[in-house]
Amino acid sequence: DAGITQSPRHKVTETGTPVTLRCHQTENHRYMYWYRQDPGHGLRLIHYSYGVKDTDKGEVSDGYSVSRSKTEDFLLTLESATSSQTSVYFCAISVGGDYGYTFGSGTRLTVV
Amino acid sequence: TQLLEQSPQFLSIQEGENLTVYCNSSSVFSSLQWYRQEPGEGPVLLVTVVTGGEVKKLKRLTFQFGDARKDSSLHITAAQPGDTGLYLCAATNFGNEKLTFGTGTRLTIIP
Repeated sequence: DAGITQSPRHKVTETGTPVTLRCHQTENHRYMYWYRQDPGHGLRLIHYSYGVKDTDKGEVSDGYSVSRSKTEDFLLTLESATSSQTSVYFCAISVGGDYGYTFGSGTRLTVV
Repeated sequence: TQLLEQSPQFLSIQEGENLTVYCNSSSVFSSLQWYRQEPGEGPVLLVTVVTGGEVKKLKRLTFQFGDARKDSSLHITAAQPGDTGLYLCAATNFGNEKLTFGTGTRLTIIP
């Protein structure tokens, strides 16, 4: 009902394999974000997008890439998964300004 | 990148008590937001404050933005078990659409 869905919700993958997480929105919001949440570190920004094909790095972007070919979809790819990328990943959307973010329910990724 | 420090990290109190949690930084914010996160879910926006000294009330929750725009507090009156969760503050710099989050206060209300 919030208009943002993440898939998959859970994933276990092996070290060295590529992984793609998907964020889909039906709100037509301009801004989309990927965060990771880890104990003791809170939510840290990985990448964000301010429009179709317009993306930029956040504070923890190493080892991650993103793509946004349509307004509604924002993909996060772990190029070669490592154990340090085991985390809960959240996507968020925003219209910008001071209106706040709407978050998805998260993807719990385990790299073994 | 501005750092947001939240205190306390953990708080456990009895139902019916009052509590205050804090969010502080050495930097000036353009706006500050508070979110609540429950296990297995993403954070949910509670409030945005944009003016120094601003006070906003949401039922039993009172949010205050410091006069110097460097700090904020969240006060809960007569806490209820439904208030249990992780409370996160987040701030933006002027002209920047990116939110920086604090590490949160994990609140437990004991029935």
